[in-house]
Amino acid sequence: EAGVTQSPTHLIKTRGQQATLRCSPISGHTSVYWYQQALGLGLQFLLWYDEGEERNRGNFPPRFSGRQFPNYSSELNVNALELEDSALYLCASALHEKLFFGSGTQLSVL
Amino acid sequence: DAKTTQPNSMESNEEEPVHLPCNHSTISGTDYIHWYRQLPSQGPEYVIHGLTSNVNNRMASLAIAEDRKSSTLILHRATLRDAAVYYCILPSSNTGKLIFGQGTTLQVKP
Repeated sequence: EAGVTQSPTHLIKTRGQQATLRCSPISGHTSVYWYQQALGLGLQFLLWYDEGEERNRGNFPPRFSGRQFPNYSSELNVNALELEDSALYLCASALHEKLFFGSGTQLSVL
Repeated sequence: DAKTTQPNSMESNEEEPVHLPCNHSTISGTDYIHWYRQLPSQGPEYVIHGLTSNVNNRMASLAIAEDRKSSTLILHRATLRDAAVYYCILPSSNTGKLIFGQGTTLQVKP
């Protein structure tokens, strides 16, 4: 069974640009979570989607947004990129309160 | 959101048991206690979870205090591959947030 897949693995952008990160959950999982992990820091909760709806978001500005598609895959969009947005972005899908994480997208903002 | 407190770091010798503590004094009656770990350059992976009674699986054991204000993750025989950051988390079924603290960095010495 395929795990959670994220693309791209690495993404390099410049300040002010927009980034789009993608996540495919494990088949049968309807919930998707997004987390940000800056270098040397813990995981910061970004967004939670379930059944196509945004259920909760963390303390991030509105330029962080996303959506969940009918097939339960998800996109995270970051507009007007800032240097401090450089981080590993992790996606997880959930089943019975267990999270299964992907390997992440390493976003570098130059 | 209920908070957890863990030591920043711990050391263990290979082949010896490791007890990783977690305090969660504000836990509510319905909060499960989850443990995840994050190996270097990987997304976190589920280790174990429990509500009231002690739990065992192939990876570890979870000992929960009778008043549920603390718990201990037990690795029965540490290996070098167990070197990771271990997170103790109380998921909120209401908000869907899984708040990852700084976790405990476990070093395993050969």
